[in-house]
Amino acid sequence: GQNIDQPTEMTATEGAIVQINCTYQTSGFNGLFWYQQHAGEAPTFLSYNVLDGLEEKGRFSSFLSRSKGYSYLLLKELQMKDSASYLCARTDNYGQNFVFGPGTRLSVLP
Amino acid sequence: GAVVSQHPSRVICKSGTSVKIECRSLDFQATTMFWYRQFPKQSLMLMATSNEGSKATYEQGVEKDKFLINHASLTLSTLTVTSAHPEDSSFYICSAPSRFDGYTFGSGTRLTVV
Repeated sequence: GQNIDQPTEMTATEGAIVQINCTYQTSGFNGLFWYQQHAGEAPTFLSYNVLDGLEEKGRFSSFLSRSKGYSYLLLKELQMKDSASYLCARTDNYGQNFVFGPGTRLSVLP
Repeated sequence: GAVVSQHPSRVICKSGTSVKIECRSLDFQATTMFWYRQFPKQSLMLMATSNEGSKATYEQGVEKDKFLINHASLTLSTLTVTSAHPEDSSFYICSAPSRFDGYTFGSGTRLTVV
């Protein structure tokens, strides 16, 4: 299997910073995506990491370590609208497998 | 950017009937289409991968005779849920690789079987 793992639920306070981790099986790995999904809606693309390191995009940053099979999504200055599920997804070398992790439901509290 | 148009967005059908869901790539050619199912409070589970002009590849546990996938052209892939049962009620969504942001999703179909 793809063995992708994420925490099921997280809670944070408005204005705070939260880090959502994702671990995955490294064999055949090509790239790691992060998506945001509100209930009943399609996922929205957040980031794509292929190389090691941190990529920053406004309030959201994503980190990848290929050797460790580890990624995280960092959300800064949390807003209430950030309450959603966050899904990591990996692709293989041939782009024929696009598999999601279990998702992390983030609740942002006032 | 790339757009995948998915229809219908919502459908209610009776047990035993069939429902067809369409995903159409509007401004790019989708040689591959991924089909997912999502139950409440769960992640997207890959059901099958369709490739234009060839048979779909189904994930373990997904019945190919129940979930018929057709990818007859470079812009259209369809999923037909045959002999639907209440347990098939779910959110179905497609996704295709594109040059623009990696993978483009349809807007999803909420299927309710009564």
